[in-house]
Amino acid sequence: GAGVSQTPSNKVTEKGKYVELRCDPISGHTALYWYRQSLGQGPEFLIYFQGTGAADDSGLPNDRFFAVRPEGSVSTLKIQRTERGDSAVYLCASSSPLQAETQYFGPGTRLLVL
Amino acid sequence: AQSVTQLDSQVPVFEEAPVELRCNYSSSVSVYLFWYVQYPNQGLQLLLKYLSGSTLVESINGFEAEFNKSQTSFHLRKPSVHISDTAEYFCAVSDQTAAWGTSYGKLTFGQGTILTVHP
Repeated sequence: GAGVSQTPSNKVTEKGKYVELRCDPISGHTALYWYRQSLGQGPEFLIYFQGTGAADDSGLPNDRFFAVRPEGSVSTLKIQRTERGDSAVYLCASSSPLQAETQYFGPGTRLLVL
Repeated sequence: AQSVTQLDSQVPVFEEAPVELRCNYSSSVSVYLFWYVQYPNQGLQLLLKYLSGSTLVESINGFEAEFNKSQTSFHLRKPSVHISDTAEYFCAVSDQTAAWGTSYGKLTFGQGTILTVHP
């Protein structure tokens, strides 16, 4: 079936603007994860959803970052008052209850804040 | 909390030579171990994983990794590389003891190793 999809693939915005990044997980995957990958670094955990609820949001860097998953499928990562330091690739991953330890990643959204 | 150290940021090799990409981790709890690969302009793909059982795990394209608990390592090896293996490789761990619905499955990644295979 289809893999994890993320939109947009690229987003350029100005400092101070609001952005939304979307993730559509693999059908049937109840767990959804957001990571951020800065240039030259490995991905860093942001938030984990189990169903509709955020089970672990300990990786969100500050209160400008927020994520939702209202129906337990699609998730949106929201960044308010963007800063140049928010520029990175934002990755989404999902996993199945039957193979919960294995995550499948989307292609990412490359965010550039000017 | 866990941490992962990939000891080499870049590894250049010639085609058909053997390669080893090193990964060490630190954790106070038992972990699952993973290697992910990122080809140029593509997303992360799972290469292989260690969950339990045999400490030597293999991928379908000839890579293998061995879990060494005493040395807290999970080095990735291939006896003969191809040009097409050129990519960035990430080692990652997750907490095996985390309860489902808490931080279960959260991955901690190393900084990555860029493998470049030259003809």
